Amino acid sequence: EVQLLESGGGLAQPGGSLRLSCAASGFTFSSYAMSWVRQAPGEGLEWVSAVSGSGASTYYADSVKGRFTISRDNSENTLYLQMNRLRAEDTAVYYCAKGPLLGLDVWGQGATVTVSS
Amino acid sequence: DIVMTQSPDSLALSLGERATINCKSSQSVLYSSNNKNYLAWYQQKPGQPPKLLIYWASTRESGVPDRFSGSGSGTDFTLTISNLRAEDVAVYYCQQFYSTPRSTFGQGTKLEIK
Repeated sequence: EVQLLESGGGLAQPGGSLRLSCAASGFTFSSYAMSWVRQAPGEGLEWVSAVSGSGASTYYADSVKGRFTISRDNSENTLYLQMNRLRAEDTAVYYCAKGPLLGLDVWGQGATVTVSS
Repeated sequence: DIVMTQSPDSLALSLGERATINCKSSQSVLYSSNNKNYLAWYQQKPGQPPKLLIYWASTRESGVPDRFSGSGSGTDFTLTISNLRAEDVAVYYCQQFYSTPRSTFGQGTKLEIK
């Protein structure tokens, strides 16, 4: 079964850091680009970041560029999102998703990140 | 950045009716090299992650009922849900991945049953 499982969410202070992980199973992880998408409370979906299958190419939304870093460990089938200099507006559920090749076809259940003092 | 605008923001229909949700992109998402529209539709039920329904504007993802159909090209797209069922209550999003792997989503359309 194709599955994505996020971990690492929690409470952080403004200016603080958190690292999200996304463990993948059931598919050849290194063959696919992977993405992070977030959803603030009561709001819509916002694409955050993506990384190529090899990890060599990374992409960011302007809202997180310079603060967040996406990476992957293909030997461990794991995707990461390092979030630094967190702001209140980064409060959201963060989803990892497989793709996009033909859209985002597999999603994790999400990790909740709350930024508050 | 490509801006995606959905209409309406919400709609309420009766069981068995047809729902039509529109999505407009600020620039064409049609790749001339392969004649594919890089447009996807998602369904999100409360407390759940989004689920891919349709990609390339009109290709249903495996396992998605044929009551769901997508159409359109270039900048104007439509998601149609025929014979509305109670389990279709959700928020629906369009997404462009023309600038893949960067992408943008529409603001969402909330579908309710009257």
